[in-house]
Amino acid sequence: DGGITQSPKYLFRKEGQNVTLSCEQNLNHDAMYWYRQDPGQGLRLIYYSQIVNDFQKGDIAEGYSVSREKKESFPLTVTSAQKNPTAFYLCASSIGVLLQETQYFGPGTRLLVL
Amino acid sequence: EDKVVQSPLSLVVHEGDTVTLNCSYEVTNFRSLLWYKQEKKAPTFLFMLTSSGIEKKSGRLSSILDKKELFSILNITATQTGDSAVYLCAVLGRDDKIIFGKGTRLHILP
Repeated sequence: DGGITQSPKYLFRKEGQNVTLSCEQNLNHDAMYWYRQDPGQGLRLIYYSQIVNDFQKGDIAEGYSVSREKKESFPLTVTSAQKNPTAFYLCASSIGVLLQETQYFGPGTRLLVL
Repeated sequence: EDKVVQSPLSLVVHEGDTVTLNCSYEVTNFRSLLWYKQEKKAPTFLFMLTSSGIEKKSGRLSSILDKKELFSILNITATQTGDSAVYLCAVLGRDDKIIFGKGTRLHILP
């Protein structure tokens, strides 16, 4: 079945540690996105990628980094510079830029700081 | 600054009631408005609205967009306990960025 997978489901980070969240899709979508969701808040865009080897900052990119070496994969690294990383992270994809309207979401990763 | 505002933030009704959720927006170069339902984890897509005045329907859910007044409503008739969720409104604007509202938390009492 086609879809988006995220791993791990839960992730614990120690102070000063970088952690990487995985996002894979087999929908043959060109565009992929990372969102962060905090309690009582809407989804906020961290980074997005419209095509392989290209990505753009979203509204809250500070303290995060991404790569897009393959069409299927868009990993997100939460660096030690992100001072408040505890949140629910959602990855999404869409067919392409012009058809971005429908985004398909992965199951999410919950990141907790120890 | 682009923004999407949903109201109410939370709503509690009894099973069988009809509810109306609101979404207003101020977004540069509006392209489309989307509604999502989020239960426990990831949001699921409900509707995409691009043109004013055209109602989209899916079972007991319906939605309409008013581009002149810059708002959309999501109606749910004959509510069921399974409708309990957070309903997210999002707007696609300039630079292909999508802006989400904070959501309306809907709770249906049996």
